[in-house]
Amino acid sequence: QVQLLQSGAELRKPGASVKVSCRASGYTFTSSEINWVRQAPGQGLEWMGWMNPNSGNAGYAQGFQGRVTMTRDTSTSTAYMELSGLKSVDTAVYYCARLGVGVVQNTFDIWGQGTMVTVSS
Amino acid sequence: EIQMTQSPSTLSAFVGDKVTITCRANESIRDWLAWFQQKPGKAPNLLIHKTSRLHRGAPSRFSGSGFGTEFTLTITSLQPEDFATYYCQQCNSFWSFGQGTKVEMK
Repeated sequence: QVQLLQSGAELRKPGASVKVSCRASGYTFTSSEINWVRQAPGQGLEWMGWMNPNSGNAGYAQGFQGRVTMTRDTSTSTAYMELSGLKSVDTAVYYCARLGVGVVQNTFDIWGQGTMVTVSS
Repeated sequence: EIQMTQSPSTLSAFVGDKVTITCRANESIRDWLAWFQQKPGKAPNLLIHKTSRLHRGAPSRFSGSGFGTEFTLTITSLQPEDFATYYCQQCNSFWSFGQGTKVEMK
């Protein structure tokens, strides 16, 4: 069964950093990009960036450049998203999502369950 | 960044109704559009990719159409499990989402 399993909820103070993990199973981890999407409480979906697990290359949405880093560990089939300089507006559920393979092109076919990150003093 | 606009933001309907949601892009995205369904507390679930291709497991009452800048998602006979929020996503130039359409019970 193809799935992405994310780490648990996090509470951080303003100015701190958070690192969320996303472990892939049921498929070849290096065969497809992992994307990260966040959703603030009661709000819509916001794409943050992509990471290629094979090469380690990553690209970030303009609003997150300089503050987000996406990495991976191929030995454990795990992707990571680290966000620094946290502010209260970064309080959100953070999702990892797999870029589709085969007939599903250019969109996200498998999603993690989400990780709640709360930023509060 | 390509901007996506959905309408309406909220839609009230009865079970059995035909429902249509519209999604517009501020520039052409050809047919690189997907639709997701999201229920409270859950991750989004892919329904349709490349404008009109039904994702495996998605019910056939869902269909999509459009090209360029204007797209629609249609649910032919709304079922109780379809009350949810729907998002369009452009996949032509990186990715971005519409603001969502909440389908609620009338």
